[in-house]
Amino acid sequence: IQLTQSPSSLSASVGDRVTITCRASQGINNYLAWYQQKPGKAPQLLIYAASTLQSGVPSRFSGSGSGPDFTLTISSLQPEDFATYYCQQLNSYPLTFGGGTMVEI
Amino acid sequence: EVQLLESGGGLVQPGGSLRLSCEASGFTFSSYAMTWVRQAPGKGLEWVSGVTHTAGSTYYADSVKGRFTISKDNSKSTLYLQMSSLRAEDTAIYYCAKYRYNYGHDSWGQGTLVTVSS
Repeated sequence: IQLTQSPSSLSASVGDRVTITCRASQGINNYLAWYQQKPGKAPQLLIYAASTLQSGVPSRFSGSGSGPDFTLTISSLQPEDFATYYCQQLNSYPLTFGGGTMVEI
Repeated sequence: EVQLLESGGGLVQPGGSLRLSCEASGFTFSSYAMTWVRQAPGKGLEWVSGVTHTAGSTYYADSVKGRFTISKDNSKSTLYLQMSSLRAEDTAIYYCAKYRYNYGHDSWGQGTLVTVSS
C-alpha cells in the first residue's frame, strides 16, 4: 500500500490553520496514524484510527477522512508544532509511511 | 513509564553483520507486537520489520527481506534485529517501537545509529 502525502513541505505562521493530506493507494479501513517528529528526536503518535487523538496530544490537532484521502489539521499552529509529520497505514504489512510533510516557519 | 532502549549500533563494513537490541520496560512486553523503523540521514521514516506479540509471526520490508531477522524474547523483554549482508543504503538510525495492532506505534526508543561504510 502506497501513501502519498502532500504537500512535502509548507511554510506557515503561528496561529495559522494547517492541513496535511495523505492518500492511500487502496483501502485501509481507516487504520491510519499520524506522527510528529522533531529534529533529532523519535516520532510521537498524534492520531490513530484516522481521527482519534492520542492521550496527551493537544486538541488543536485533529484527523479526518475515510479513504482514500485522510487529513491532519492543526487548528492554530503553535511554535512547538514546527516539525515533520508522517502518516502511516496500519491495515496490512508492510506498515508503510507517507513521505512526510515538513512544517516550517 | 514505558521505556525502550536500543543498543548495538555502530560502524560496519559493507557485507558485514550487526545485531541490534531493544530492551523494554514499563509494560507487559509479551502482550504487544513490536516494530523496527529506520531513518536514513535527512530522509523519511521507513518501516523495516515487525513481530507479533507472541513472536509467532514476523514481517519484513522488501528492502531487507532475506538479510534481516527480527526476534522477540518475551522472557527477557527484549527485541532484536539481526542484520547481515549490510549495504551502504542500510545506513540509518534504527528505532524500535511498541505497536498496538491497527492503531499505531505509541512508544519509541531513542534510536541507534548504524553506519555501513568501508
